[in-house]
Amino acid sequence: KQEVTQIPAALSVPEGENLVLNCSFTDSAIYNLQWFRQDPGKGLTSLLLIQSSQREQTSGRLNASLDKSSGRSTLYIAASQPGDSATYLCAINDYKLSFGAGTTVTVRA
Amino acid sequence: NAGVMQNPRHLVRRRGQEARLRCSPMKGHSHVYWYRQLPEEGLKFMVYLQKENIIDESGMPKERFSAEFPKEGPSILRIQQVVRGDSAAYFCASSPATGGSGNTIYFGEGSWLTVV
Repeated sequence: KQEVTQIPAALSVPEGENLVLNCSFTDSAIYNLQWFRQDPGKGLTSLLLIQSSQREQTSGRLNASLDKSSGRSTLYIAASQPGDSATYLCAINDYKLSFGAGTTVTVRA
Repeated sequence: NAGVMQNPRHLVRRRGQEARLRCSPMKGHSHVYWYRQLPEEGLKFMVYLQKENIIDESGMPKERFSAEFPKEGPSILRIQQVVRGDSAAYFCASSPATGGSGNTIYFGEGSWLTVV
């Protein structure tokens, strides 16, 4: 059974600082990994998808890396803004998604 | 192209009543997933369906919960005789093919069930 862990559980940074969110998983037999954002009381917005054959994926200020051999992924958010405040979820796709508990980010203006 | 549509967004039921949650996948998507998010907990997989077939229901409670995805119409998650512990956000997601083919899985806005 796939176990997904996200560290830290919560993070508070001043505006402009770079964010580093970590995700680890136990079974490296995955198809892909997705990072999502969830705002309070809302659904999930897909941020990035990294295929198992890829090492990283970038979209704007977001960059995600994947190291299957060590069972780790990292989401980097450059130059954080108050609008980045949300919960970020890592999900492993081994035909269905297994989620971590998330990292709740607060960016202080 | 409309996204994954869930309704109702908010539902209040008394203990013992039935709750029906509906999900219309994105156009062209034939694979549907249901997840539950309990208060202060992460998202947990419940069931994976294709049209007219349940592929994986390993996350579904054995009693009172059922799901279907008929040939025509939305997918339905049905909870019979609801109890307070069923209060949660229920999310539906869809993909054009099996998630194992590497496709992005898209989520709806969720249905918030409150049992009083």
